[in-house]
Amino acid sequence: KAGVTQTPRYLIKTRGQQVTLSCSPISGHRSVSWYQQTPGQGLQFLFEYFSETQRNKGNFPGRFSGRQFSNSRSEMNVSTLELGDSALYLCASSYGGGRETQYFGPGTRLLVL
Amino acid sequence: AQRVTQPEKLLSVFKGAPVELKCNYSYSGSPELFWYVQYSRQRLQLLLRHISRESIKGFTADLNKGETSFHLKKPFAQEEDSAMYYCALNDSNDYKLSFGAGTTVTVRA
Repeated sequence: KAGVTQTPRYLIKTRGQQVTLSCSPISGHRSVSWYQQTPGQGLQFLFEYFSETQRNKGNFPGRFSGRQFSNSRSEMNVSTLELGDSALYLCASSYGGGRETQYFGPGTRLLVL
Repeated sequence: AQRVTQPEKLLSVFKGAPVELKCNYSYSGSPELFWYVQYSRQRLQLLLRHISRESIKGFTADLNKGETSFHLKKPFAQEEDSAMYYCALNDSNDYKLSFGAGTTVTVRA
């Protein structure tokens, strides 16, 4: 099976802009989670979707949002970008979420100038 | 709230020496614990999870509920074990992984 894919792999934006990142889960997986990885804060949970419903959200401002489509693909959006949003954004998928193993994508590296 | 602590940021060992990465957690329920590894320029991948009780690439980890620990061990480190290791906890009702800060392991020849 193909692994989790994320597009684009790299992005450069300026402060104030918005960005949309995309994630395609492993075929058959219906749970998609998003994480932010930075050198200072490590890996932090953003949100989790299952069957187009957000089941959990991390402690991030409302500028961070996401959605999931009927084919389980997911997007996350960050509006009004700040310098501190520069990070590696990871997507992970699993069959049903919960206590299952999550499989990670390669990430999208976002640089905000 | 759940919390995962990896006290060592960096760990350097010689090839063939034993290696142990510490992980402590705080959680009121029955946790599901994982070790993930990130090799240079590769994606984060599962190394092992406690419920499967498997030994992967020579690594083992034992869940000690009394000490709330899930330390990762390997008796003889190899150079290819050089990587970043993350301990993670999954709450059965929370649908998220909580990660420790990670430990960078360097295995020297």
